[in-house]
Order: sequence, then C-alpha cells, then structure tokens
Amino acid sequence: GAVVSQHPSRVICKSGTSVKIECRSLDFQATTMFWYRQFPKQSLMLMATSNEGSKATYEQGVEKDKFLINHASLTLSTLTVTSAHPEDSSFYICSARDRDRGIYGYTFGSGTRLTVV
Amino acid sequence: TQLLEQSPQFLSIQEGENLTVYCNSSSVFSSLQWYRQEPGEGPVLLVTVVTGGEVKKLKRLTFQFGDARKDSSLHITAAQPGDTGLYLCAGISYNTDKLIFGTGTRLQVFP
Repeated sequence: GAVVSQHPSRVICKSGTSVKIECRSLDFQATTMFWYRQFPKQSLMLMATSNEGSKATYEQGVEKDKFLINHASLTLSTLTVTSAHPEDSSFYICSARDRDRGIYGYTFGSGTRLTVV
Repeated sequence: TQLLEQSPQFLSIQEGENLTVYCNSSSVFSSLQWYRQEPGEGPVLLVTVVTGGEVKKLKRLTFQFGDARKDSSLHITAAQPGDTGLYLCAGISYNTDKLIFGTGTRLQVFP
C-alpha cells in the first residue's frame, strides 16, 4: 500500500529559530501534498496545498511567509516554520495524494510534534 | 469555507453500548471519508463513501452517506475499549480535491 514518511516525528526548538519538516511519498508519485495543523484536542485544519513545481496555495489566515512550503519533486514536500514562536507549537501532519488512485489516493504521514520553547 | 460539523463532540460510554456519530455540512461533497486517529499519530482511513444514500459496513461499524451528499453518520455496535479514539469525517471538495476535516468526535469506551 501507499506509504508516506514524515520526519522528524518530534522536534523541540528555541523561539526565533526555523524548523523544517519533510514529507515523502515512498512508493508513489504525489503531484499534490497537503499540510495540516492540529492543536490539542482539536481536528485537523488544512494549512496549505502544494503542487509539484508550483507555488503552494495557503488557506485563509495562514501566513505564507511564516510557513514556507516547497514541493520540488514528485515525492518530497517540505514545510519550514520560520522564526518559530511558542504559539506555533502543534502537531503538523502531511498528506500526499496519488492522483492515479482518485478519491482513494490520500495517504497521511504519522505527524510531527513541534514544541517551541 | 466548507465546514463539517460533527456531533457529539465527546462521547463516553460503557463497553457493549451502541453509538452514532453525525457529520453535517451545508456543502455538497464528491465523496466523504471517515478516519480514526490515535494520540500522536496520523489519521487512519476507515471508509470512503461515494454515492448518495450509500451504506457501508466494516465489522461493527456502519457508515452512511446522506442522499444529498452533505451529511454522513457512523454507527458502532457493541463498542469495545479498542474503539477509543478520535473519529473524523472528511469531505473531498468537487472543485479543489482538498480533503476538509470535520470538527471531530472523541470517543472513550470504558471496560
């Protein structure tokens, strides 16, 4: 089955620094990847959609300069949280879409727990 | 913005009881999925429903997609402690292929 690898699983960083999270599709090509954020005891909120080779599309209220997304290849998308602050602490989850599988093509990573101290 | 409201938000029941979780929206979706998520992990797909009125069964779980493709329900029969988790519905948008999650239902089943 389709597998998405997300790294790191946990990261602690100091306030003001940047953190990069990677999302890789291991056995399929993902023309589209989605990034979600989940606060404790809440649902997943879509942050942005990235398409290979083009700029990401951000949801309303998400700062594109703070959450930099790069989707340079069909198997890798990265989310960089720049100048992180404690309020950015959250669980970040990526989803990669295999277009050949249609509506069954959404596969999720295992998430990254970011703690900003 | 497409919103998917789930109810109830929290559910705490005894092993053996039945329960139903609802997922409602004012928007129409091309299809709808249900996921279960454990703490610290990504969501795991349970089912995808595509046709209005469709009913799918997965062991003790029964999923239904509303006729108008705006709502869905998840019914669990004889709940077990292993069913404990966060249940999420997610709709796939016609226009953008985005997967939009519902507000979530946290289920706890006590032995």
